[in-house]
Amino acid sequence: GESVGLHLPTLSVQEGDNSIINCAYSNSASDYFIWYKQESGKGPQFIIDIRSNMDKRQGQRVTVLLNKTVKHLSLQIAATQPGDSAVYFCAENTGGFKTIFGAGTRLFVKA
Amino acid sequence: DAGVTQSPTHLIKTRGQHVTLRCSPISGHKSVSWYQQVLGQGPQFIFQYYEKEERGRGNFPDRFSARQFPNYSSELNVNALLLGDSALYLCASSPVPNSPLHFGNGTRLTVT
Repeated sequence: GESVGLHLPTLSVQEGDNSIINCAYSNSASDYFIWYKQESGKGPQFIIDIRSNMDKRQGQRVTVLLNKTVKHLSLQIAATQPGDSAVYFCAENTGGFKTIFGAGTRLFVKA
Repeated sequence: DAGVTQSPTHLIKTRGQHVTLRCSPISGHKSVSWYQQVLGQGPQFIFQYYEKEERGRGNFPDRFSARQFPNYSSELNVNALLLGDSALYLCASSPVPNSPLHFGNGTRLTVT
């Protein structure tokens, strides 16, 4: 079935460094992509999104890159902070009524 | 503004029983989605409702059903509970489909 996968299940970075979380998606018809952050005991929280007509979108300390040719999505976090420690999910939507989540990457930030 | 609220927060049921989970979306949000999240995995899509109609269904058995009320709140029902139904059930709302989801903190269901 449809799936959104991740290259690395766990990522450990030093505080202050930049983090890059990668994601591969399988449905070439997907036209909307979203990154979510989930902290322990909470529901996923929206971080940033990008539509398929864009290659890059920036937010506050976060950037999402979309490469439709290889069906790859990445989330870049600048100057990673301890509060960024969480599980990060990429998700895709094909313009319909179903958003599919990947398995997640756990980000550890070392002080 | 209040976020998405789910009730109850925790629930313990026995195999074969029935359960109803409730969700109140953010005011003004007309779309509600339900997800199942097993520990260590990403949320799995169960249903999406928009304007009180089912618009999407994931790969879950017919034991799972849901509905959306005129005030846009929603219920997820699961019949004939199995041990494998133990999970965190997440509800999310959005103003319209294909827009960012706003999640509640979920209902933790344990089936014994």
